[in-house]
Amino acid sequence: QQQVKQSPQSLIVQKGGISIINCAYENTAFDYFPWYQQFPGKGPALLIAIRPDVSEKKEGRFTISFNKSAKQFSLHIMDSQPGDSATYFCAASSLRNDMRFGAGTRLTVKP
Amino acid sequence: DAGVIQSPRHEVTEMGQEVTLRCKPISGHDYLFWYRQTMMRGLELLIYFNNNVPIDDSGMPEDRFSAKMPNASFSTLKIQPSEPRDSAVYFCASSPGLAAYNEQFFGPGTRLTVL
Repeated sequence: QQQVKQSPQSLIVQKGGISIINCAYENTAFDYFPWYQQFPGKGPALLIAIRPDVSEKKEGRFTISFNKSAKQFSLHIMDSQPGDSATYFCAASSLRNDMRFGAGTRLTVKP
Repeated sequence: DAGVIQSPRHEVTEMGQEVTLRCKPISGHDYLFWYRQTMMRGLELLIYFNNNVPIDDSGMPEDRFSAKMPNASFSTLKIQPSEPRDSAVYFCASSPGLAAYNEQFFGPGTRLTVL
């Protein structure tokens, strides 16, 4: 059962553009929503995370937007750079749930 | 800290053979996770341990898969017998404290190819 649905599967953006990756969840018990970044040949690493008590969290060029009523959250990468090219995973968890990952989005930023 | 250590990094074996993947978590972390990553299915949680005790193994695909954690610094994932469809990258991760709200630290992965 896929509890976190992520789109798109792949994304190509020009350098300087905005990359947007969307995720939707079903279980209303989820209350922690991290994003992981994975470079080729490496394991995923935590990029940024949000709790549902805020609608937005920003860290540098990376922003999470959260819509609790729609059960959706998204990652925005401003001024995308070739070094941002990686696979991005959204995830969701709660006290009663293990962390569940989305299927991943392969981002390519063209110079 | 060296981070999560996995071995081997690459494994090529023939169908029917036993495969053992190894993981050393970050010292002091209470939780250890095994994941499998494929293009088709993404990142799947196979099993996780809390203080060396298996908590949820519902993601283990079938009886051919087994995992153990004999002590706080070592875990194994075994596939016996292996099949070509088991070909994937297997990640081990560890986290401090409550797994749900803490960062998971992933190892570099083991790329398994079953011929």
